[in-house]
Amino acid sequence: SAVISQKPSRDICQRGTSLTIQCQVDSQVTMMFWYRQQPGQSLTLIATANQGSEATYESGFVIDKFPISRPNLTFSTLTVSNLSPEDSSIYLCSVDLRRRNTDTQYFGPGTRLTVL
Amino acid sequence: SQQGEEDPQALSIQEGENATMNCSYKTSINNLQWYRQNSGRGLVHLILIRSNEREKHSGRLRVTLDTSKKSSSLLITASRAADTASYFCATAHSISNFGNEKLTFGTGTRLTIIP
Repeated sequence: SAVISQKPSRDICQRGTSLTIQCQVDSQVTMMFWYRQQPGQSLTLIATANQGSEATYESGFVIDKFPISRPNLTFSTLTVSNLSPEDSSIYLCSVDLRRRNTDTQYFGPGTRLTVL
Repeated sequence: SQQGEEDPQALSIQEGENATMNCSYKTSINNLQWYRQNSGRGLVHLILIRSNEREKHSGRLRVTLDTSKKSSSLLITASRAADTASYFCATAHSISNFGNEKLTFGTGTRLTIIP
């Protein structure tokens, strides 16, 4: 299995500010994924991040609100901009470890964001 | 939304009983996966079943897949208190020519095992 870390593990932010979440993987991966899990809900894919190219956003998510960086094969950041209470969620990154002959994705521990 | 549906939304059973959760989805898939999440923490991968498979076992877990009905079920036998968690199915869809996939998660089942 892969070791995936996220920073911060949790944060409380004021309305109108932004939070940048970091995701670090212990090996090089082609694709990284960012998910949102609203309270009591399932996971929803925000975007897919390929190294060296623009992230691909799912319907309902836009780059201005959720800018993503993918500077190398082991790291990505997700910024949640212009925060509102509706952005209070757990944000998770995951990686596709196809090179390790597995079809599964591995998930980071998540970042719990509370917006006041 | 392409999100799959799971039922029941919540399930409470006595320790030692079997728990069955169902998942339905809407589009063709490469494979279907089941994940467990304890108390809003990270997800743990449980089992994967490919679209050309009908049944798969892993320890106390049994998964079935019916692609004609676009449905899957997860059976946990001889449940334990430690099985208390939320369970999600996720369908995998190709997003590249290199085999990369993205996951679409179901709505989840909250399972409570009563000691």
